[in-house]
Amino acid sequence: TQLLEQSPQFLSIQEGENLTVYCNSSSVFSSLQWYRQEPGEGPVLLVTVVTGGEVKKLKRLTFQFGDARKDSSLHITAAQPGDTGLYLCAGEFLNWRTSGSRLTFGEGTQLTVNP
Amino acid sequence: NAGVTQTPKFQVLKTGQSMTLQCAQDMNHEYMSWYRQDPGMGLRLIHYSVGAGITDQGEVPNGYNVSRSTTEDFPLRLLSAAPSQTSVYFCASSYSSGPPLHFGNGTRLTVT
Repeated sequence: TQLLEQSPQFLSIQEGENLTVYCNSSSVFSSLQWYRQEPGEGPVLLVTVVTGGEVKKLKRLTFQFGDARKDSSLHITAAQPGDTGLYLCAGEFLNWRTSGSRLTFGEGTQLTVNP
Repeated sequence: NAGVTQTPKFQVLKTGQSMTLQCAQDMNHEYMSWYRQDPGMGLRLIHYSVGAGITDQGEVPNGYNVSRSTTEDFPLRLLSAAPSQTSVYFCASSYSSGPPLHFGNGTRLTVT
């Protein structure tokens, strides 16, 4: 079983601060997804990265895929209370590409942005 | 556009009871899947389907059955509920093989 480790598990910051959360594995991913989940709701897909070294931006969120495709980071600039939520990374592995939608999820980073 | 709809939102069962968690999507997605989310464990895949009439097991299938008679519906059946099945269950869908694009809002199940 491939494992994804996310860090930190919990993060509490003040509005306006910057932050980075990490997603690491010893295995190579064919793609990596970031989701955000709010209480009582399902995860919402934010981004998919597929190429080593790829950087994608979504407003104040910057996602990076490691060159070796074993790790990823999510950086939030000038965090706002609306960014509060559980951030999940999910890695898709090469030998599962032909077997349907199968991913390994990390445990998540619970982010709280205080006003 | 409703997306992925799950019912019920909450359910309490006694050990040994059976029930079906409903999932429906209106996006004509071929791929549907069921996950459970437990503290400290992330989301784990229970069963998935690549299209009507085709299902397969995921990471934690024991104690659960699924069927896919239509593209829209993908119910999850608990045959004989156990306390270890206390969890939040999410249904998800996507166009093709790959990560889930849309999740439902979950069913919180407690087995006593």
